[in-house]
Amino acid sequence: QSALTQPASVSGSPGQSITISCTGTSSDVGGYNYVSWYQQHPGKAPKVMIFEVSNRPSGVSNRFSGSKSGNTASLTISGLQAEDEADYYCSSYTSSSSYVFGTGTKVTVL
Amino acid sequence: QVTLKESGPALVKPTQTLTLTCTFSGFSLTTSGMRVSWIRQPPGKALEWLARIDWDDDKFYNTSLKTRLTISKDISKNQVVLTMTNMDPVDTATYYCARNRWGHWFDPWGQGTLVTVSS
Repeated sequence: QSALTQPASVSGSPGQSITISCTGTSSDVGGYNYVSWYQQHPGKAPKVMIFEVSNRPSGVSNRFSGSKSGNTASLTISGLQAEDEADYYCSSYTSSSSYVFGTGTKVTVL
Repeated sequence: QVTLKESGPALVKPTQTLTLTCTFSGFSLTTSGMRVSWIRQPPGKALEWLARIDWDDDKFYNTSLKTRLTISKDISKNQVVLTMTNMDPVDTATYYCARNRWGHWFDPWGQGTLVTVSS
């Protein structure tokens, strides 16, 4: 199972919106609405930001939103804030009854 | 409140077997729908899912690592154990356990434990 493809880095100024893509195949992202997104600050454990493509867990800011089209899922952060600077990973359930993560995206707030 | 915590050796030698324990609280693996996964992250690299165990003792493995992994649970201790055989320096990573939610997402995660493979 190959890792899902994410851009290595994305940057934006405070207040701007950015979008991170996550490209897989019909055996993972395209085949199921089980895409989730995780935020990871340096030295910390990942934290879920979006589950089942577009759902936000309780306590996660509504500045985070998710979507999917075909084999590509996306995470959008609106009103970018300094605290959003972190690594972001997507994950998908797969047809092999397993899970695959993305390659990771470093978000920089300029 | 759901919490998970990983424990195990910080250093293992090549070819040795690694045994990691995930001790959790706030839920029971006897409850229908409950699942726990192991995930690892080499230093500076991406996350990699390893294995999952379900309340009904179903087990699922990363196909690339399946021959080296065994996942099990001890209900009485609220623990999930992962063993990985024939350790290699490339297996050096922070190993996390996480509750696997019904919609195939991971929440919460443990703090992680760094395992270094070196002679």
